[in-house]
Formats: sequence, C-alpha cells, structure tokens
Amino acid sequence: RKEVEQDPGPFNVPEGATVAFNCTYSNSASQSFFWYRQDCRKEPKLLMSVYSSGNEDGRFTAQLNRASQYISLLIRDSKLSDSATYLCVVRTGGFKTIFGAGTRLFVKA
Amino acid sequence: DAGVTQSPTHLIKTRGQQVTLRCSPKSGHDTVSWYQQALGQGPQFIFQYYEEEERQRGNFPDRFSGHQFPNYSSELNVNALLLGDSALYLCASSSGGRTDTQYFGPGTRLTVL
Repeated sequence: RKEVEQDPGPFNVPEGATVAFNCTYSNSASQSFFWYRQDCRKEPKLLMSVYSSGNEDGRFTAQLNRASQYISLLIRDSKLSDSATYLCVVRTGGFKTIFGAGTRLFVKA
Repeated sequence: DAGVTQSPTHLIKTRGQQVTLRCSPKSGHDTVSWYQQALGQGPQFIFQYYEEEERQRGNFPDRFSGHQFPNYSSELNVNALLLGDSALYLCASSSGGRTDTQYFGPGTRLTVL
C-alpha cells in the first residue's frame, strides 16, 4: 500500500463547476498536511496547508479527517487557470515529506 | 529576491556514467531537500541537508549521494546511472531544518540513454 494515495483522474469539468479531490495516508503518526499544485513541466507550488479545523482560501477549501486518515480539497467555481495536477503531501515525524502521485484536473470552457 | 535555482536545466547521460546536479536555495533558507519525479508520478524524497549534514534519507540506493556547502547550496550526485534514473530532479529549500513551507526550484531533467 502506498503511503499517500490519490485518485489519478483526470477530472474533466466545465468552467464554474465544483470539484473535490480526496487523498488517504497510511501513517497515523503523520503530522502535517498540504496541497501543492503542479503545472505541466513546472515545479510544484504550495497551494495551502491543511488543518484539522479545516481552512479556506478563496475558492479553495481543505479538510483533514485524522480518524479516517484522509485529506480533501474542494475547488469552487472552477477557472480555466485551475487546470493542473494537484498533489497531496504528508509530512511524518522527522523531516521526510511524502507526495501522492497527483490528481490531474482539466477545466474546459 | 532570487528563488531556488538549479543547474543544469537539462542533461543527457549514458548508462554507467556519473552526474552532479546543483541547487542554490532561496535567500534566507538553510535547508535543502532533493526529490526525484518520474513521469506521471509525484516527487519522491531522496534526502535532506541541513547544517551541512544529511538528516534523513528516502528509499534510494547509495548511488545517490549529496553534499551541502557552507553557503547552503547543495549538490546531488548519482553514480552508475541506470535507465530508470531518468526523471526530473527537484530541489526544495526551507529554513531551520523544517519542511512545512518548501519552495521548489524548476528542476533538472535528466535523461539516461
């Protein structure tokens, strides 16, 4: 079993749609959680951290469920510019950061 | 404010050769982590350097080694290259040995023929 698992997609949605990504992790001792965005042939960039209480940044909402060991990202009112790969990231105790394989999103006009 | 820089941008090597990749962290950062990203996969953690020491290592063989210099820049060395080493190699910098907020460089795309 992979340490961090994501639905690879791709997700094809029209502009304005709401789309949700889920991610599960296997290490119950994991401490920190993040969503990164990666455009084609570019480096990953931090989208947002994920907190137990849930957090929102504009059209983006992240949730963490420690009991079920999953993380979610909700994107509302999708824009063409949201087309990218979204990477779920988990940091365990220590300094090791584990990335999921990513979920590809295509937003179409 | 310069971000994370990596060199070279692209590299082509043949099996059995050795390669050195370089990374300069973002200004004010002292921690460098290296990742390997194969096509269609997420980045895989290779190792992290802080205070010129390797602090943690992922599941990579000893053919992968590194170094951090007093100015915090870092090198990744890969010996006895295999076809499977073809990937995008990403460097990420952060501060104080933490990885909560990492900034990635543009990467070095290595092709092994």
